[in-house]
Amino acid sequence: DADVTQTPRNRITKTGKRIMLECSQTKGHDRMYWYRQDPGLGLRLIYYSFDVKDINKGEISDGYSVSRQAQAKFSLSLESAIPNQTALYFCATSEQHNSPLHFGNGTRLTVT
Amino acid sequence: AQSVTQPDIHITVSEGASLELRCNYSYGATPYLFWYVQSPGQGLQLLLKYFSGDTLVQGIKGFEAEFKRSQSSFNLRKPSVHWSDAAEYFCAVGARGGADGLTFGKGTHLIIQP
Repeated sequence: DADVTQTPRNRITKTGKRIMLECSQTKGHDRMYWYRQDPGLGLRLIYYSFDVKDINKGEISDGYSVSRQAQAKFSLSLESAIPNQTALYFCATSEQHNSPLHFGNGTRLTVT
Repeated sequence: AQSVTQPDIHITVSEGASLELRCNYSYGATPYLFWYVQSPGQGLQLLLKYFSGDTLVQGIKGFEAEFKRSQSSFNLRKPSVHWSDAAEYFCAVGARGGADGLTFGKGTHLIIQP
């Protein structure tokens, strides 16, 4: 089983819909992250969390929200999806500050 | 804030030839540096990292990278590439004591010619 699991793997939704992407991990790491990948832009940080009570905005948090339900679970929500949120979304974990990130396999989201 | 530049969007290399992927960073102190590889449909896998000490670091799959402070660079090398090395490669930087989360370059797409 994967250490970092993202669901769903693919999702197509319509403009204006609310959608949640989920991430769970078995690595026991406190730090969890959501990144977005767009062709030619690399990965950009959306939100990160040190623990269930500590949520921090990243570079591109507008239009997104997160919830850290437990140490092992970190979900990303789009309250009202728009087409320019079409992207590949990655969840990642790390053991400590700026230590290597461990990535899930990604969720490909298409907003029509 | 830190930043990363990968000057080459695409690189084509013949199988068996040597490889060097360039990475330049901008940061006021010595950063944490990483190289990741992404195969199609997959997440990112860590190839190697530099935190401190020896400036030449060895990674998985026969890759190595050299930290050059004077050039603000962390170039990735491999002496002989295999067709399975075709992938997207990302350089990333982390700030010591700064905000958490790595900053990634835009990636270099590696194409292997037979």
